[in-house]
Amino acid sequence: ELKVEQNPLFLSMQEGKNYTIYCNYSTTSDRLYWYRQDPGKSLESLFVLLSNGAVKQEGRLMASLDTKARLSTLHITAAVHDLSATYFCAVPLEGDSNYQLIWGAGTKLIIKP
Amino acid sequence: DSGVTQTPKHLITATGQRVTLRCSPRSGDLSVYWYQQSLDQGLQFLIQYYNGEERAKGNILERFSAQQFPDLHSELNLSSLELGDSALYFCASSVGLASVLGDSYNEQFFGPGTRLTVL
Repeated sequence: ELKVEQNPLFLSMQEGKNYTIYCNYSTTSDRLYWYRQDPGKSLESLFVLLSNGAVKQEGRLMASLDTKARLSTLHITAAVHDLSATYFCAVPLEGDSNYQLIWGAGTKLIIKP
Repeated sequence: DSGVTQTPKHLITATGQRVTLRCSPRSGDLSVYWYQQSLDQGLQFLIQYYNGEERAKGNILERFSAQQFPDLHSELNLSSLELGDSALYFCASSVGLASVLGDSYNEQFFGPGTRLTVL
């Protein structure tokens, strides 16, 4: 059974600091998705990581994927208040042609001014 | 705006009642997914449809059912509602299936959600 674990589940940090959110998954997968959700809002796709060693960056967020370690990281550089949100990672079931995603529990990020 | 629409935005009803949530996928997307998100909880996958056919089921209760129509919109029916059914219900859509697309993003794009409150 594929399990996706995120840590930490809750993170409170100061503006200007750097931090990393981790997403581990239990079986092989060649891709991983990161989403952002603001409170009470919908989910917004942030990154699609399609291969081992993939790295994508947008603004102060950078995501990477290590398929051998079954690990993805979401790194926040010089955090700003606007990045406060819940971040989810999701992994597709390998070999599942339906592309059902298995979701992490989410990391609630609060950035204090 | 993801291009996925959901109606209604809010729904307040009583226990024992039945409601229908509606979703229209992005233009060109054939797959529709339904999710439930309870307060401060993660996403619970309910069911997936592809081009009118049910393709995958998650933790969907027997009181819940869904369908996808020929115009590709989808409806999620919730019956005999209980207090615990209060949640945000999201619909997402994607282009298709991995077997059809091969190596492609096949991202899921989420609608704005329907907030269901059962009193």
